[in-house]
Amino acid sequence: GNSVTQMEGPVTLSEEAFLTINCTYTATGYPSLFWYVQYPGEGLQLLLKATKADDKGSNKGFEATYRKETTSFHLEKGSVQVSDSAVYFCARGYSSASKIIFGSGTRLSIRP
Amino acid sequence: KAGVTQTPRYLIKTRGQQVTLSCSPISGHRSVSWYQQTPGQGLQFLFEYFSETQRNKGNFPGRFSGRQFSNSRSEMNVSTLELGDSALYLCASSLEDPETGGYTFGSGTRLTVV
Repeated sequence: GNSVTQMEGPVTLSEEAFLTINCTYTATGYPSLFWYVQYPGEGLQLLLKATKADDKGSNKGFEATYRKETTSFHLEKGSVQVSDSAVYFCARGYSSASKIIFGSGTRLSIRP
Repeated sequence: KAGVTQTPRYLIKTRGQQVTLSCSPISGHRSVSWYQQTPGQGLQFLFEYFSETQRNKGNFPGRFSGRQFSNSRSEMNVSTLELGDSALYLCASSLEDPETGGYTFGSGTRLTVV
């Protein structure tokens, strides 16, 4: 099928902890992959993307590597801050349908 | 440059009424997509327009419709509102192909049906 699966939340971490949010996808071919972030009361913002295998997307200290062998695109950050508290969505492009398919979202809370 | 603008931000409607939501994409973006976001179903794709043509449509009933104007601005309409239509409706624009370039989202319209 064509889907995106990401780890269930909520995830609660202390400030400066290491973050990993797992994401796997199913697809035929090699779709573009994305991470979006949604802060309370707002729309989604593109955090990073990768368009081909082995690409690494990075932004604001967050990174994710396109792994075609494991069909994964895990989000990582070395040291989280309280301001990183938000909902994170993994997503993949769906080329035959001009759209993006989103995972269910992972709520992240960072304790001071 | 200005982002994606959605109006209104909040709406309260009564069951059975109809509603029209508006979206102004980023200048130069020709693709506009609409999503419905609910706690139970997450983000669900409604439809996508490119140069005034609907290129793709999600699995929503015919009560949900949309259109795009020559200036790329888009509207979506929901007729005969049901309680289950209460949701955050998000508009997203893209230069051409969202599946590779990604979207820029608006802040959404929060629709409450009572």
